[in-house]
Amino acid sequence: NAGVTQTPKFQVLKTGQSMTLQCAQDMNHEYMSWYRQDPGMGLRLIHYSVGAGITDQGEVPNGYNVSRSTTEDFPLRLLSAAPSQTSVYFCASVSLIGNTEAFFGQGTRLTVV
Amino acid sequence: AQSVSQHNHHVILSEAASLELGCNYSYGGTVNLFWYVQYPGQHLQLLLKYFSGDPLVKGIKGFEAEFIKSKFSFNLRKPSVQWSDTAEYFCAVFNTNAGKSTFGDGTTLTVKP
Repeated sequence: NAGVTQTPKFQVLKTGQSMTLQCAQDMNHEYMSWYRQDPGMGLRLIHYSVGAGITDQGEVPNGYNVSRSTTEDFPLRLLSAAPSQTSVYFCASVSLIGNTEAFFGQGTRLTVV
Repeated sequence: AQSVSQHNHHVILSEAASLELGCNYSYGGTVNLFWYVQYPGQHLQLLLKYFSGDPLVKGIKGFEAEFIKSKFSFNLRKPSVQWSDTAEYFCAVFNTNAGKSTFGDGTTLTVKP
């Protein structure tokens, strides 16, 4: 799954701290998304982007910001971490040009204490 | 709003048994449909996808799925499961107009050796 690079893999934050989860893809995919995965709740969409300069809110956007200044990068920012944001975060990219492709990053396990 | 329903939350099979996991979606526009697999502790991997053409699609590891437009279904099948197929399986629909995916809640498959 070398196409989507997500960092860090693990992170522990204190309540109130801020941080940025990085996501980069080198496949020129137009669509990128951030999800959080919690036990029993499946994957919930946080923010998504249909192209550079365009972002939109998903199902659970509160407490998170994103930007898409380039096609390749789609960072997710936690403004002031809360214990409720303890989760596993996945970045994904999709392309519908030519042969449809979809890839996920390796995930970030975030714990907020 | 689009939604995806996976009927089975947990399926337990013996090795060599046949598998069928149900997936229904509600969305009236052009759909791109996906099945993903998530092995314990890992990220989601694409099993197969449908975007046009032959409604019977074949994916990796012997999986296949059939798109039935009249039933809004995209069920996943495998003729003979193996212990290594133990994982969680997610169905997803990608809304090309909105540029985002909606996931089902997932089905946990346990294959007993």
